[in-house]
Amino acid sequence: NAGVTQTPKFQVLKTGQSMTLQCAQDMNHNSMYWYRQDPGMGLRLIYYSASEGTTDKGEVPNGYNVSRLNKREFSLRLESAAPSQTSVYFCASSETWGRQYGYTFGSGTRLTVV
Amino acid sequence: AQTVTQSQPEMSVQEAETVTLSCTYDTSESDYYLFWYKQPPSRQMILVIRQEAYKQQNATENRFSVNFQKAAKSFSLKISDSQLGDAAMYFCAYRTKQTGANNLFFGTGTRLTVIP
Repeated sequence: NAGVTQTPKFQVLKTGQSMTLQCAQDMNHNSMYWYRQDPGMGLRLIYYSASEGTTDKGEVPNGYNVSRLNKREFSLRLESAAPSQTSVYFCASSETWGRQYGYTFGSGTRLTVV
Repeated sequence: AQTVTQSQPEMSVQEAETVTLSCTYDTSESDYYLFWYKQPPSRQMILVIRQEAYKQQNATENRFSVNFQKAAKSFSLKISDSQLGDAAMYFCAYRTKQTGANNLFFGTGTRLTVIP
């Protein structure tokens, strides 16, 4: 099925550990995004990539890094996980010119940092 | 930055009845997009309906419709003939039309319960 695929779906980390969340889309979209969702706060943008080869900070980038590996893949890395990074992480993609169609989201990764 | 406010953390509706979820937003722009997303327990974010600000006609998608009041910066979602499958978190979202701007601003969500 076409869409956005995120791995893993669940992850538990110890404080200080590192990990990479993977995201891939097969819709030939130019733009990709990483959001985090916390209770009572909606979704907040961490980083985005408007097109292949570019990345930019969003609203809450501290503690994260990203890589736009190619047009399909956009990864999010936590170098030294902290309990404040316990959250649900969503990857999304969109056609840059077709912004009226909103975003297509992956199914999310629930990350717990202990 | 634009802000999106959903003042109803929780709502409930009887099956087959109608419910309206509220959303207000703050912007200085004249043209933009507004969206409602549904998030069921599966966590998947599903686009329900969208509205372009320059269009005066309210968007409709089957049982879902919006009441877009541009001057009041209000964008409410009406769900008619509510079904058990409508139970979910609903998020209102705003996106600018400005070139180069890419963020989708979300409200904090409304949890909808459907009572059989």
